[in-house]
Amino acid sequence: DADVTQTPRNRITKTGKRIMLECSQTKGHDRMYWYRQDPGLGLRLIYYSFDVKDINKGEISDGYSVSRQAQAKFSLSLESAIPNQTALYFCATSDSGQGRNEQFFGPGTRLTVL
Amino acid sequence: DQQVKQNSPSLSVQEGRISILNCDYTNSMFDYFLWYKKYPAEGPTFLISISSIKDKNEDGRFTVFLNKSAKHLSLHIVPSQPGDSAVYFCAASGSGSARQLTFGSGTQLTVLP
Repeated sequence: DADVTQTPRNRITKTGKRIMLECSQTKGHDRMYWYRQDPGLGLRLIYYSFDVKDINKGEISDGYSVSRQAQAKFSLSLESAIPNQTALYFCATSDSGQGRNEQFFGPGTRLTVL
Repeated sequence: DQQVKQNSPSLSVQEGRISILNCDYTNSMFDYFLWYKKYPAEGPTFLISISSIKDKNEDGRFTVFLNKSAKHLSLHIVPSQPGDSAVYFCAASGSGSARQLTFGSGTQLTVLP
């Protein structure tokens, strides 16, 4: 079984709809992250969480919100989706005890907003 | 303003030859650097890393070189294999409490048989 899973893997939605992307991990890591990937821009950090009670905005948090329901679960919401949120979204985890910040990524969710 | 830059969007090499992927950074506070490899329809996977106290780190066919004065790092793959064809992302991390990763835009490597 994959250590970091994301659901759904693909989603097509319409402008204005509310969307939730979910991430679960079995690695026992305390830190979790949401990134988006756009062509030519690499991965950009949306939100990150160091534990259940700690949520932080990343580089591009506008239009997004997150919830850390448990140490193993971190969801990303688009309250009112817009076409420029069409992208590939990745969840990642890391272990603060390692000190190297090596992050482990899920397989991604391809989101299309029409 | 991109703090981590990969100026070559793509690179093609022949099987068996050396692949050299380059990365430049602007933030002198970065002290840890990583390379990730990404296949289509998969998430990025960690490949190799280097701390700023070193100038070279080797793992099998993969070697990362760091030139702090030039704020430049490179990934060497020798010999290149068709299975190495993927997008390679350079990432950098600082010594702040967050230790977030800042990614470059990626280089698509194609190894030709």
